[in-house]
Amino acid sequence: GDSVTQMEGPVTLSEEAFLTINCTYTATGYPSLFWYVQYPGEGLQLLLKATKADDKGSNKGFEATYRKETTSFHLEKGSVQVSDSAVYFCALPSQGGSEKLVFGKGTKLTVNP
Amino acid sequence: KAGVTQTPRYLIKTRGQQVTLSCSPISGHRSVSWYQQTPGQGLQFLFEYFSETQRNKGNFPGRFSGRQFSNSRSEMNVSTLELGDSALYLCASSLPTGDFAKNIQYFGAGTRLSVL
Repeated sequence: GDSVTQMEGPVTLSEEAFLTINCTYTATGYPSLFWYVQYPGEGLQLLLKATKADDKGSNKGFEATYRKETTSFHLEKGSVQVSDSAVYFCALPSQGGSEKLVFGKGTKLTVNP
Repeated sequence: KAGVTQTPRYLIKTRGQQVTLSCSPISGHRSVSWYQQTPGQGLQFLFEYFSETQRNKGNFPGRFSGRQFSNSRSEMNVSTLELGDSALYLCASSLPTGDFAKNIQYFGAGTRLSVL
């Protein structure tokens, strides 16, 4: 079945450091891929997405490129800020004709000033 | 435009009780999905409703049930609560476009359930 594997962390960085959170997936075909972010005490919100191979999603300085050869969708940011501290989830839509999303376990990021 | 609203935000129950959680989707959204979030298992899909019909169900016992009303609002119910049901329950709504691969889901802030 469909699955997502992402590095679980936690990840602790200093402000302005470079961030990479790895995400790989198993699915039939080439599904859309998503990164969601969950700030403390809040629900999830979509950070970025890519709907086909080689697409690059970007938002708020974050980027991720859909690599079908390596079935990966790694999240990157060149210079993190304290306000980026959150839990990040990689996800894809499950096959089967519904809105179900399959999530990775989440990666908690803490950015220190 | 108002976001997804979940009530209540916090609940404390004891084992054996039952609980009902409510979710009001974004206006115009007809699909509502529910997820359970725990530190150990992460985010797990419970079920999805569209036009008052359950369209998909996750691997949870029958104690977990849900429904959707004609105005798209949804409720989920957990009967005979167990300690392991303590979790953050998240609701998400979407505007189905007919392409499941591209629909964006919008999440509420969740209901934190503690079972004592």
